[in-house]
Amino acid sequence: QQQVKQSPQSLIVQKGGISIINCAYENTAFDYFPWYQQFPGKGPALLIAIRPDVSEKKEGRFTISFNKSAKQFSLHIMDSQPGDSATYFCAASNGETSGSRLTFGEGTQLTVNP
Amino acid sequence: SAVISQKPSRDICQRGTSLTIQCQVDSQVTMMFWYRQQPGQSLTLIATANQGSEATYESGFVIDKFPISRPNLTFSTLTVSNMSPEDSSIYLCSVPGGPGGYNEQFFGPGTRLTVL
Repeated sequence: QQQVKQSPQSLIVQKGGISIINCAYENTAFDYFPWYQQFPGKGPALLIAIRPDVSEKKEGRFTISFNKSAKQFSLHIMDSQPGDSATYFCAASNGETSGSRLTFGEGTQLTVNP
Repeated sequence: SAVISQKPSRDICQRGTSLTIQCQVDSQVTMMFWYRQQPGQSLTLIATANQGSEATYESGFVIDKFPISRPNLTFSTLTVSNMSPEDSSIYLCSVPGGPGGYNEQFFGPGTRLTVL
């Protein structure tokens, strides 16, 4: 059962542009929403995460926007760089009922052209 | 964050054989997770391995196919048994923890398995 839907499947952005990846979830019990970055041949690396008590979190060029009523959250990469080219996964979990079990979105392959 | 290593990093195996994947963490953790990432796909949780108890498997995964050991708080193994080409995937272990709280989860580098 897919509980986290991610779009787009692939994204091409020019250097310096803004990359936007969207996710929607179904389970209202989710209380933790991380984004992972994965380079080929590597395991996913935690990029940034948000909890539903805030609507936005920013770390450097990466920002998560969270809309609790719409059950949606998105990742914005400002000033995108070729080094940001990777696959990005959103995820969600409920720490109270499932520990740290993560449900992942389908992934977005981001290409940033120089 | 925890430092996680996996062995082997990759392997090519014949149909019908079994492969055991090792996951080593540089700190003691109660829970360890095993995920499967099929080619070009997302991550799917196989099972949760708690030290001192039987692993908990997700729907669609069974112990006979993916037996797990958890002998101590820093180590776990996942065996992929009686392999078929459909088992060709990246297998990843992960552990919770970090300054952000219990929900944070960190992944090993993965084991890339190809079954011929």
